[in-house]
Amino acid sequence: DAMVIQNPRYQVTQFGKPVTLSCSQTLNHNVMYWYQQKSSQAPKLLFHYYDKDFNNEADTPDNFQSRRPNTSFCFLDIRSPGLGDAAMYLCATSRASEGEQFFGPGTRLTVL
Amino acid sequence: AQSVTQLDSHVSVSEGTPVLLRCNYSSSYSPSLFWYVQHPNKGLQLLLKYTSAATLVKGINGFEAEFKKSETSFHLTKPSAHMSDAAEYFCVVTHSGGFKTIFGAGTRLFVKA
Repeated sequence: DAMVIQNPRYQVTQFGKPVTLSCSQTLNHNVMYWYQQKSSQAPKLLFHYYDKDFNNEADTPDNFQSRRPNTSFCFLDIRSPGLGDAAMYLCATSRASEGEQFFGPGTRLTVL
Repeated sequence: AQSVTQLDSHVSVSEGTPVLLRCNYSSSYSPSLFWYVQHPNKGLQLLLKYTSAATLVKGINGFEAEFKKSETSFHLTKPSAHMSDAAEYFCVVTHSGGFKTIFGAGTRLFVKA
């Protein structure tokens, strides 16, 4: 089945230690998104890629970066995680002309 | 400017009774509207979408929603709640290819046996 896959599902890191979260898709969608979702809150868009074009939300901290080496993969890098970065990170994809987004299962990040 | 307001942060119903989750939106453009469901520690799953076709939209698991432009509403309903419907529900609005996505704050649905 076509899908959005996130690895790992659970990630534990230490304060200040860089961490990378991974997302892959078999839908061949040209848009990929990263969201941060804290407990009992709505997902918050961090950035998205339209093909190789990177679009950062204005309030996304510089600590968060992303890479998209090809259509299928997208990575979220957190350069120096703080305690406030502990959250669920959701990856999503869509076709450029459509609003419907397909979400992965998420990666829950714990910062010790 | 776009915005989405989910009028209830929590809704509690008994199994077998109707469900109503309310959503109002504000959009300067012709919006696309979506309802997503999120079970604990899972990603979001699309329940249904409105994209300027029929105003009454049927989705998965017996859910439906009606787009009412005059009321700027897109309420989610289900005739009979099931225990497995207990989850968080998000109303979402997008426009112009969907890059700018606005989420409502979410409504937590509790279903009592």
